[in-house]
Formats: sequence, structure tokens, C-alpha cells
Amino acid sequence: QKEVEQNSGPLSVPEGAIASLNCTYSDRGSQSFFWYRQYSGKSPELIMSIYSNGDKEDGRFTAQLNKASQYVSLLIRDSQPSDSATYLCAVTLNSGNTPLVFGKGTRLSVIA
Amino acid sequence: EPEVTQTPSHQVTQMGQEVILRCVPISNHLYFYWYRQILGQKVEFLVSFYNNEISEKSEIFDDQFSVERPDGSNFTLKIRSTKLEDSAMYFCASGLSGTAMGYTFGSGTRLTVV
Repeated sequence: QKEVEQNSGPLSVPEGAIASLNCTYSDRGSQSFFWYRQYSGKSPELIMSIYSNGDKEDGRFTAQLNKASQYVSLLIRDSQPSDSATYLCAVTLNSGNTPLVFGKGTRLSVIA
Repeated sequence: EPEVTQTPSHQVTQMGQEVILRCVPISNHLYFYWYRQILGQKVEFLVSFYNNEISEKSEIFDDQFSVERPDGSNFTLKIRSTKLEDSAMYFCASGLSGTAMGYTFGSGTRLTVV
């Protein structure tokens, strides 16, 4: 059974701070990792993908992957109130068309 | 920016009725998916579709469910005889290169079975 685990939160951070979101996964064969943002009542929106161990930066977002520890994280620098949402971690085997397995998400609240 | 369009945004149906949820994927995308999210729970995979056939389906996608791409643009999910537990948000998604590159979700259809 493939599982993706996230702390459900809420994680509260002050505006301008760094928000750190974590995710662990059970399937060692997982090769592709994604962070989606989901506002309440809306669809998931892809914000980051990462495939190799290490860090990947895109604007205020940094994804970190450690396959040995089966751990993925997302850092959001200079957090803004508009970042308040649920962040979904998703993983998949990198074999073409295998489905995404989602975690339940971490709710982030950025306090102005 | 190209979008995945889903209709209707909200559908209320009586238990036992058939429903069809409609999706228009991004035009040059080749891979199509349906996911669902029961309120407060995880986003769950239902089915993937490529080259006019189902690539993979989950345990949720039983004989009550079917998918179709009838005209080269629409992608539909049919639930033959709805149950109360089918109440959820249903998301269509499409991708250019399969799952590994990530894909774009539609805005969703909220299905309420009463």
C-alpha cells in the first residue's frame, strides 16, 4: 500500500517568515515528487516538482528531496497571507502514466 | 494560460441516478485523468486514459464507473447508479507527458448524492 504522510496542521507562521512543510512516503520506488497548493473548495495547483536528491528552487519556493530517508519538504520564504492554503504532497513511480498518490495535505496559515 | 474546463461545477442527483461529468482537457495534451476528493479527505486517483483507452484504474473505479472521449475534445466520467458515498469533488486532469511531469487539474465538479 503506497502511503504519503503529511502533518495536517494547521501550521501558523507570521508574514515574512519561512514556512516549512514536510512529507514522507512509503514506496522506495517513487521517482517523481510534487507539491500542489489547494485553496479551500478549489482544485490542486502544481507549484513544484522534484526528481533528484537535493534542493530545487523556484522563486520563493524550495523543494528538498532525500530519497534515502523517503522525505520531501517544501520551504516557502517570505510567506504572504495569500500563501494560506493546504499544501499537498504527491508522489509517483516514474514509469510514464502511473497515478499520483497524494498526502492529506498540510494547512498553512500565514498571519499578517 | 490554457485551462482544463469542467462542467457542471455542481451537480445534485438522487441516489440510483446516472450522472455524467464533463471535462475539456488542454488541447495538445495526450493523457487524461479523473481524481476525486471526498470532503476533508485525500485526493484519490480514479482512472487514467491514453490513446483512447484506460491505462490504469483504482479499486474505486468499479463497474459503476466508465470514461469516454467521444469526440476528440471532451472527456467524460459516467457513474451509472450513484450512491451516497459517491458525493465528492471530482477533478479532471490532463498532461502532455504523463504523470512524471505533473499535470493540470480542472476546477472540479462537486457531486452531491441525496
